[in-house]
Amino acid sequence: EADIYQTPRYLVIGTGKKITLECSQTMGHDKMYWYQQDPGMELHLIHYSYGVNSTEKGDLSSESTVSRIRTEHFPLTLESARPSHTSQYLCASSEQGAGTGELFFGEGSRLTVL
Amino acid sequence: KQEVTQIPAALSVPEGENLVLNCSFTDSAIYNLQWFRQDPGKGLTSLLLIQSSQREQTSGRLNASLDKSSGRSTLYIAASQPGDSATYLCAVEGPTGGFKTIFGAGTRLFVKA
Repeated sequence: EADIYQTPRYLVIGTGKKITLECSQTMGHDKMYWYQQDPGMELHLIHYSYGVNSTEKGDLSSESTVSRIRTEHFPLTLESARPSHTSQYLCASSEQGAGTGELFFGEGSRLTVL
Repeated sequence: KQEVTQIPAALSVPEGENLVLNCSFTDSAIYNLQWFRQDPGKGLTSLLLIQSSQREQTSGRLNASLDKSSGRSTLYIAASQPGDSATYLCAVEGPTGGFKTIFGAGTRLFVKA
């Protein structure tokens, strides 16, 4: 069982609100990722980190931002939510080193912006 | 650029049948290939991880094979059960695209009781 947790699991908010999706892992993994997935659609990488103070944008452009101040936390923030941000956001982590590891996912945060 | 394709996109089988899901990738320079299961509205659960030096991995009724040179992997599910109904995704990690993991679109499996 993977030790990676996301909160909240479900969130419904109004347009213009600031939101932060939390992701924590207790496996000591250096690599962490955020994916965005619409229902029935493919996963798209929006942010990733290879360690503390390291963040990179993924393949899909996103208006969200991330931070990595501690190894175990990788929060995602939307400064001003819009209906187009409605989606499921999945956090994942893996060990450092090329090709070393299994990718572990959290349960996801389903965001609805009205 | 690495691309991962999964065939079929959807599959419906009666309970008890053995089945094979296919995954192909365009760049054979991979470090590993991983199969996942995703239930509706949930995260992904790792099923099997095959390192590039390995040919197959087994877990219970699941067997995954890897042919790196031809860019193919298969996930074999024996004696399928209704609880196996889910979307199955394969993903490869490699140097192409900066060591990121590239996912296929998935195969949606429905096992009828």
